[in-house]
Amino acid sequence: DAGVTQSPTHLIKTRGQHVTLRCSPISGHKSVSWYQQVLGQGPQFIFQYYEKEERGRGNFPDRFSARQFPNYSSELNVNALLLGDSALYLCASSLGVGTSGYNEQFFGPGTRLTVL
Amino acid sequence: AQTVTQSQPEMSVQEAETVTLSCTYDTSENNYYLFWYKQPPSRQMILVIRQEAYKQQNATENRFSVNFQKAAKSFSLKISDSQLGDTAMYFCAFMKPPGGSEKLVFGKGTKLTVNP
Repeated sequence: DAGVTQSPTHLIKTRGQHVTLRCSPISGHKSVSWYQQVLGQGPQFIFQYYEKEERGRGNFPDRFSARQFPNYSSELNVNALLLGDSALYLCASSLGVGTSGYNEQFFGPGTRLTVL
Repeated sequence: AQTVTQSQPEMSVQEAETVTLSCTYDTSENNYYLFWYKQPPSRQMILVIRQEAYKQQNATENRFSVNFQKAAKSFSLKISDSQLGDTAMYFCAFMKPPGGSEKLVFGKGTKLTVNP
């Protein structure tokens, strides 16, 4: 089975532009989370979507938005790009938000965004 | 808010030897999950080991084991018989119990180098 896939692998944008990053979860997984990993730091939580609804949001400005589609794939959108948005953007999928027990999150390889 | 601290930015170990990576965290929750993730240069984040806070027994996965001290809020990772393939960034992470967001809170990471 394919793992979590993300596209594109690398992306170069200029300040003020808009970017869309894409994530396809593992087949059968209904939850997708997005993380930003700045160079030399640990990943920071941006969003989680489950069954097309937002289930969690991190401390990021409104320039960041996301959505989940009926096939459970997801897009992360960032408007008005800043130099500080340069980072590795990771997507993780899981079976879903558990009311009991734990669902392991599986990470994709990430999209490297460079803002010039 | 939960915080995770990894005080060792870099560590090195000789092949076949044992190394311990440190992690402390801060939370007011009584039940939660703790994780160690490995991120090799390929960027793919891989789960190494998981510990549920309500379990007193320390988790083990082959050559990887943890020392979980709940009262001290400490969660260290021991890698036995280190292999060259263990070279990677290691991140300690915290998650509240399921039922809401599956947000992972990561530390800044420890860069581990295994030398031949």
